[in-house]
Amino acid sequence: DIQMTQSPFTLSASVGDRITITCRASQSIGDLLAWYQQKPGKAPKLLIYKASNLESGVPSTFRGSGSGTEFTLTISSLQPADFATYYCQQYSSKWTFGQGTRVEIK
Amino acid sequence: QVQVVQSGPEVKKPGSSVNVSCKPSGGSFSSYIVNWVRQAPGQGLEWLGAIIPTVDVANYAQKFRGRVAFTADTSTMSVYMQLSRLTSEDTAVYYCALRYDDYVGYWGQGTLVTVSS
Repeated sequence: DIQMTQSPFTLSASVGDRITITCRASQSIGDLLAWYQQKPGKAPKLLIYKASNLESGVPSTFRGSGSGTEFTLTISSLQPADFATYYCQQYSSKWTFGQGTRVEIK
Repeated sequence: QVQVVQSGPEVKKPGSSVNVSCKPSGGSFSSYIVNWVRQAPGQGLEWLGAIIPTVDVANYAQKFRGRVAFTADTSTMSVYMQLSRLTSEDTAVYYCALRYDDYVGYWGQGTLVTVSS
């Protein structure tokens, strides 16, 4: 099975900061990678699919990139609503999720 | 606009089984692969498996094989997950999530399953 390694586990940042979250797959998954945002008590919300496609309604401050085994999610200017937990997910073979990155206020 | 509606919360005894339903609406039932994902309290997301409803073919994660079963009812356009031999470690929110081609953005609201004696 494909393993997904996401880093960092926790990220402390301020409003307006640029942040990057990384996800590494144990084998090539092409571009079949998604990024989700999750807030407490809510279902995951899709941000990015197929590695770099922005979901409708998601601010353009979110950007996904990468292919093969290395992927990144970048938030160019952190907003108050962006403090949440983020997960990567491969859907090339079955589904596997990263461990999650909690973005907290510094 | 596709919406995914799941059944309500459940409280179960250890050793029993639970059934959770998932009903997509607003799209073609024949176009989706229905996946099941769970999240234990304070933990990450874990995939249980998937089913292609129109051909009733399922693929289960190794961890749950033999204990989970997915079924589809094309007359009601609903999919069902049954998890048996429940323990307290199965306490979690269970999500139904659709894959449509390379798009994975249709998720249900989640169903809380609590296993407690």
